[in-house]
Amino acid sequence: EIVLTQSPGTLSLSPGERAALSCRASQSVTANYLAWYQQKPGQAPRLLIYGASSRATGIPDRFSGSGSGTDFTLTISRLEPEDFAMYYCQRYGSSVGTFGQGTKLEIK
Amino acid sequence: EVQLVQSGAEVKKPGESLKISCKGSGYSFTSYWIGWVRQMPGKGLEWIGIIFPGDSDTRYSPSFQGQVTLSADKSITTAYLQWRSLKASDSAVYYCATGGYQLPFDYWGQGTLVTVSS
Repeated sequence: EIVLTQSPGTLSLSPGERAALSCRASQSVTANYLAWYQQKPGQAPRLLIYGASSRATGIPDRFSGSGSGTDFTLTISRLEPEDFAMYYCQRYGSSVGTFGQGTKLEIK
Repeated sequence: EVQLVQSGAEVKKPGESLKISCKGSGYSFTSYWIGWVRQMPGKGLEWIGIIFPGDSDTRYSPSFQGQVTLSADKSITTAYLQWRSLKASDSAVYYCATGGYQLPFDYWGQGTLVTVSS
């Protein structure tokens, strides 16, 4: 079973700054079936990125995904106040999916 | 508009059984997998399993295999997550979502809070 490790555990930045969140897989992710989700307190997760780099419907273009194989990155180009939340990567495309443990993006 | 509406919060005692539901609308219910995700208090997301309502094909995470049962009733476009004997450690919010096999989880239910306490 593939294990996803996200880093850092917590990222403290200010609005307007650029954020880079990492997701590393223990084995190569087939066909880049890697997704990113945002979750705010008391809310269901929201799909941001799928296929490692494709933005989901309605997601602002300040969110971008990159990477392949075992190393993936979610980049938020200029942080808005509403972007401070938890972020999870997820591997899909097989019989069993896996989530990373999450990165908390907090206001500095 | 795609919608997944989950059943309401539950409070149960250890050893009791429970079945929570997720009603889909606005899309072809039998054509897309539905997955279930657990989130324990203050913790991250855990992938439980997925079901294809068209033929009830199911896949489980090894961590949840034998602990829960996924099912679906396509006549009423509703998926279910079921426990035979709850434990206190089953206390969590449970989400359903469309997708989960060769698709990400793109549409999510609002979550169902399950509390198991004596």
